[in-house]
Amino acid sequence: EDQVTQSPEALRLQEGESSSLNCSYTVSGLRGLFWYRQDPGKGPEFLFTLYSAGEEKEKERLKATLTKKESFLHITAPKPEDSATYLCAVQLPPNAGGTSYGKLTFGQGTILTVHP
Amino acid sequence: EPEVTQTPSHQVTQMGQEVILRCVPISNHLYFYWYRQILGQKVEFLVSFYNNEISEKSEIFDDQFSVERPDGSNFTLKIRSTKLEDSAMYFCASRARLASGANEQFFGPGTRLTVL
Repeated sequence: EDQVTQSPEALRLQEGESSSLNCSYTVSGLRGLFWYRQDPGKGPEFLFTLYSAGEEKEKERLKATLTKKESFLHITAPKPEDSATYLCAVQLPPNAGGTSYGKLTFGQGTILTVHP
Repeated sequence: EPEVTQTPSHQVTQMGQEVILRCVPISNHLYFYWYRQILGQKVEFLVSFYNNEISEKSEIFDDQFSVERPDGSNFTLKIRSTKLEDSAMYFCASRARLASGANEQFFGPGTRLTVL
């Protein structure tokens, strides 16, 4: 069964303390891997899409990387406003009929807390 | 910046009642989705909708659920006879187009459904 696992479940950092979040997946024929940020009581906010192993994308203090089995979200010198739940999601290849409609399968998320 | 909107933000209903959750996707998007997130759990796919019909649905999306795009802007999720276990955050998402790669989905702020 296709699966997306994120680790750690929770991460507490001091402001300025860099770290990485992990998303491992066991899907066949990944079409895309997505990172979202979710604040409490809000909808997921799109951050990055990665399509192929070796790809990297950056946005401010965040950098996402992708291998054939996992993705990392690196946070450099985080600030308290980076505190949120970070969600990883994968898009699977087309079904047997050859059509993909974009269904996302999410991991359980990593709750990041950055203390001042 | 265009965004997905959802109404109401919070809906409280009695078990067995019908509810309709409303969404206005981003205007030039073609693919529409509903997801739900039970408190403390993963975001789960419910249904995708394209070209005025359901394109894919999960096992959660049984006969009690239906979706509709009644006009050019709204996208609705109806639950005919709500159960206690339907209590969750319901997110609408939309996507621009089908391409050879994956395309990001943009999520609304969610409707919190509480079934008493």
